[in-house]
Amino acid sequence: GENVEQHPSTLSVQEGDSAVIMCTYSDSASNYFPWYKQELGKGPQLIIDIRSNVGEKKDQRIAVTLNKTAKHFSLHITETQPEDSAVYFCAAGFQKLVFGTGTRLLVSP
Amino acid sequence: SQTIHQWPATLVQPVGSPLSLECTVEGTSNPNLYWYRQAAGRGLQLLFYSIGIGQISSEVPQNLSASRPQDRQFILSSKKLLLSDSGFYLCAWSWEGTQYFGPGTRLTVL
Repeated sequence: GENVEQHPSTLSVQEGDSAVIMCTYSDSASNYFPWYKQELGKGPQLIIDIRSNVGEKKDQRIAVTLNKTAKHFSLHITETQPEDSAVYFCAAGFQKLVFGTGTRLLVSP
Repeated sequence: SQTIHQWPATLVQPVGSPLSLECTVEGTSNPNLYWYRQAAGRGLQLLFYSIGIGQISSEVPQNLSASRPQDRQFILSSKKLLLSDSGFYLCAWSWEGTQYFGPGTRLTVL
């Protein structure tokens, strides 16, 4: 089955810096790669996703890149703000998703 | 627009007691539905998923069960809770592979 690894587990940046979170997956059949943001005590919120026929997708300060050959995808957040502080999860699959273990992002003012 | 509801929001139950968590989705028809559990500070573990009424697939052997009595209703149950059942339970629905999560139920088993 699918296995997703996510790094780093924690990431501390200064406000205005960029943040990058990386994930690798094992099943070459996976064709959908979403990213979720989870704030304390709340359900995960979809922030961006990418499908296997696309290499990169951008939405304002957030971008995701996918390298199907290497089986890895990454989340890029530019011009970070304190409200970006949360736990971020990557996932891979299609009907069923396998999630990474999460990255706690702390943006200091 | 679509919305997903879960209740209760929080629940404290003694070991050995039964459990029933409910999830309902509005604004869509025949969605795929999912139950996940998230232990404190951990990732999401898929427990059950359903592609239609009465069609449930179990991902992890345990003392939990799920049912889908109506198209947009998904129920998570247990006859006897264990301490290890404590966690944050999340319901999700999907359309064309994209999953959207509910607000979750925080379950504490004492």
